[in-house]
Amino acid sequence: GAVVSQHPSRVICKSGTSVKIECRSLDFQATTMFWYRQFPKKSLMLMATSNEGSKATYEQGVEKDKFLINHASLTLSTLTVTSAHPEDSSFYICSAATSGRIDEQYFGPGTRLTVT
Amino acid sequence: GNSVTQMEGPVTLSEEAFLTINCTYTATGYPSLFWYVQYPGEGLQLLLKATKADDKGSNKGFEATYRKETTSFHLEKGSVQVSDSAVYFCALSTGGGNKLTFGTGTQLKVEL
Repeated sequence: GAVVSQHPSRVICKSGTSVKIECRSLDFQATTMFWYRQFPKKSLMLMATSNEGSKATYEQGVEKDKFLINHASLTLSTLTVTSAHPEDSSFYICSAATSGRIDEQYFGPGTRLTVT
Repeated sequence: GNSVTQMEGPVTLSEEAFLTINCTYTATGYPSLFWYVQYPGEGLQLLLKATKADDKGSNKGFEATYRKETTSFHLEKGSVQVSDSAVYFCALSTGGGNKLTFGTGTQLKVEL
């Protein structure tokens, strides 16, 4: 099946710094990528949807200036958490899709961000 | 709005036991329903789905039936194996597109 990777799997950063998380589709071209956030014992919450070569569409309540998403190629999307604070600590998951079919959305293993 | 409620885990079972993980939902319109599984260190994978009332999704011995009258999509397996140990997420989608609404996930631990 289709494989999506994320890097890094874990990252610790200091408050006020920025951190970049990469999401790659390894064996297919992803026209659409999604970024989710998961709090402990909570649901995955969709943060934004990005289509290759265009600006991301953010969900209500997600700060676009804080969570910068770039989808520059059909195999790579990045999420940059700018000026990170401890409340940004979370598990971030990306997914990628080649078509409009929801059952053809493939998920990465997630990135654990801890801001100290 | 849409929401999904799953039973809290962890659920611990002995091998060959019967499994039920409850999932109920609220949604506008007529949702499609999904179960995803996440094995340790891996991404979520689609396990099964159902797109209309009374549909039964099945895969790898797991089954779930779309019950509109009770707004439920409970996951069942007759005989679990240690290899089924994972986190299971119930999810729904409405109105087309790729937006999924997830439950909180239920961790399943199967012991010998």
